[in-house]
Amino acid sequence: DQQVKQNSPSLSVQEGRISILNCDYTNSMFDYFLWYKKYPAEGPTFLISISSIKDKNEDGRFTVFLNKSAKHLSLHIVPSQPGDSAVYFCAASALGNQFYFGTGTSLTVIP
Amino acid sequence: DTGVSQNPRHKITKRGQNVTFRCDPISEHNRLYWYRQTLGQGPEFLTYFQNEAQLEKSRLLSDRFSAERPKGSFSTLEIQRTEQGDSAMYLCASSQTRQGRTEAFFGQGTRLTVV
Repeated sequence: DQQVKQNSPSLSVQEGRISILNCDYTNSMFDYFLWYKKYPAEGPTFLISISSIKDKNEDGRFTVFLNKSAKHLSLHIVPSQPGDSAVYFCAASALGNQFYFGTGTSLTVIP
Repeated sequence: DTGVSQNPRHKITKRGQNVTFRCDPISEHNRLYWYRQTLGQGPEFLTYFQNEAQLEKSRLLSDRFSAERPKGSFSTLEIQRTEQGDSAMYLCASSQTRQGRTEAFFGQGTRLTVV
């Protein structure tokens, strides 16, 4: 039962342009959402998060948008840089209990 | 404190052997999680602790798997009678809820290969 879904396995973007990664969830009890970045053979690195009481959170080049009615969140990276090339996972939790992860989107930023 | 630490980073074992992994969380974090990740998948929840209490276990955690967190500090994950299907990256994470924010920070993982 996949409660968090990332339907795009991969995304390619030109350097300097915007990268938009999408994530959908099914459980309306989720109250906290996170994005992680992962390089091969390493653990996921926390990137940015958003509480369900907000609809936007920004941190430098990274912005996360939450649309609760659509049960959808997205991560915007602008401008995209080659070093952003990695696999991005979205995750969700309810009351800080277990985190549910999507299957990831592999982002390639082309110089 | 430099973050979540996992040991060993890599483990190769023969089928049927027992293995044990260790995780040292960020010191002030009261929650500790174990996840497993295979190629092309996101991390899959195994179990989590709040302090020394094991609060939840996934159905993925068969009776060959056991986790402990004595004294609410480091944690160990043991797999008995390993099978080839146990080959995966085992990830540990820790978290502390502050001001409504609960972000889990992961270690580098232990890559298990069962031959």
